Amino acid sequence: EVQLVESGGGLVKPGGSLRLSCAASGFFFNSYSMDWIRQAPGKGLEWVSSISSRSDYIYYADSVKGRFTISRDNVKNSLYLQMNSLGAEDAGVYYCARDRGDDTADYWGQGTLVAVSS
Amino acid sequence: DIQMTQSPSSLSASVGDRVTISCRASQTIVTYLNWYQQKPGKAPKLLIYAASNLESGVPSRFSGSGSGSVFTLSISSLQPEDFATYYCQQSYSTPLTFGGGTKVEI
Repeated sequence: EVQLVESGGGLVKPGGSLRLSCAASGFFFNSYSMDWIRQAPGKGLEWVSSISSRSDYIYYADSVKGRFTISRDNVKNSLYLQMNSLGAEDAGVYYCARDRGDDTADYWGQGTLVAVSS
Repeated sequence: DIQMTQSPSSLSASVGDRVTISCRASQTIVTYLNWYQQKPGKAPKLLIYAASNLESGVPSRFSGSGSGSVFTLSISSLQPEDFATYYCQQSYSTPLTFGGGTKVEI
């Protein structure tokens, strides 16, 4: 059974940093691209970043470029999102998702909540 | 960036109704179009990929159609568990973009 479990969310002050993690199991993690997708409270879905299976292709939304860094560890079956210079616009639930190769997110984690407030 | 526009933003329907949701892309995306269902407090679930392909395990009352820039998600006979918010998403090019969502209410 495919499982994706996010962690690392929490309350951070404006300008602060957080590192999100996503632990994957139930599939060959090193064969799939992975995505981070977020959802602001009461709003729709926003793609944040994608990373290819061997980390050779990485993409970011313009809204996070230069502030967020996606990475993965294929030995630990884990996906990460380092978030710096956080602002109120970054608050919401962050989901990791498996990308089955055509930019289709076929499995999603339960999400981790990021709150940005002083 | 490719803009995705869904309509309506919400609709009211009854169990047994046929429901249709539209999604329009700002440029052609061929059939690089996915549909997701999201229930309150839950992660989105993939329903339809590549415009018309039913994801494994998804009931056959869900169907997708369209190509180019105009797409449709249909639910043939609405069930109680189908009351949720539905999103389209283009997978033609980055940045990947989603429609604003359609909330299906009783």
